[in-house]
Amino acid sequence: DVKVTQSSRYLVKRTGEKVFLECVQDMDHENMFWYRQDPGLGLRLIYFSYDVKMKEKGDIPEGYSVSREKKERFSLILESASTNQTSMYLCASTASEGAYNEQFFGPGTRLTVL
Amino acid sequence: AQKVTQAQTEISVVEKEDVTLDCVYETRDTTYYLFWYKQPPSGELVFLIRRNSFDEQNEISGRYSWNFQKSTSSFNFTITASQVVDSAVYFCALSEETGNTPLVFGKGTRLSVIA
Repeated sequence: DVKVTQSSRYLVKRTGEKVFLECVQDMDHENMFWYRQDPGLGLRLIYFSYDVKMKEKGDIPEGYSVSREKKERFSLILESASTNQTSMYLCASTASEGAYNEQFFGPGTRLTVL
Repeated sequence: AQKVTQAQTEISVVEKEDVTLDCVYETRDTTYYLFWYKQPPSGELVFLIRRNSFDEQNEISGRYSWNFQKSTSSFNFTITASQVVDSAVYFCALSEETGNTPLVFGKGTRLSVIA
């Protein structure tokens, strides 16, 4: 079974804390993505990566950074968490080979910033 | 710019009714891919179907069917004889020609099936 795992299902942090959200995939996928999901807004792309050490900004990168040191792992970093970053965070991955690949999603991390 | 519109925010049906979820998209690409995902209460997005822009054949999978019409830029999803387990948020999504680029999602439709 293909798998995308995220380090936590639920996380509570305080304003100003540095927060790390980890995502690991076991499918040897080149492409990895971080989305944020908010009620009424759907999923919005934060950052994505096509290769190790490579990153691209998505639609809402402000307040976030990412790290991809290994192919299987893609980390989302909130340098100084704020209450408006309370949200559901979803990681996804997909292969580069072929042109018809769906994204596989992790279970999500529901982050609350107090 | 690409855009996906799911005009129905919430739908409520009684079990065994048929229900159609609408999806309208905008893109300038001639080659693109369309997807439907299901998000049950557990939160994980489950892939349902993908369709490329050159394949306008409708698809049926059990109680699920999809109607792709390029002329109206729509990719609608019908559940026949709905069941309580179909209750979820359904997302329509669009990607560029490579199919490996980030998905552009609609805002989702929350479907509640009442027993």
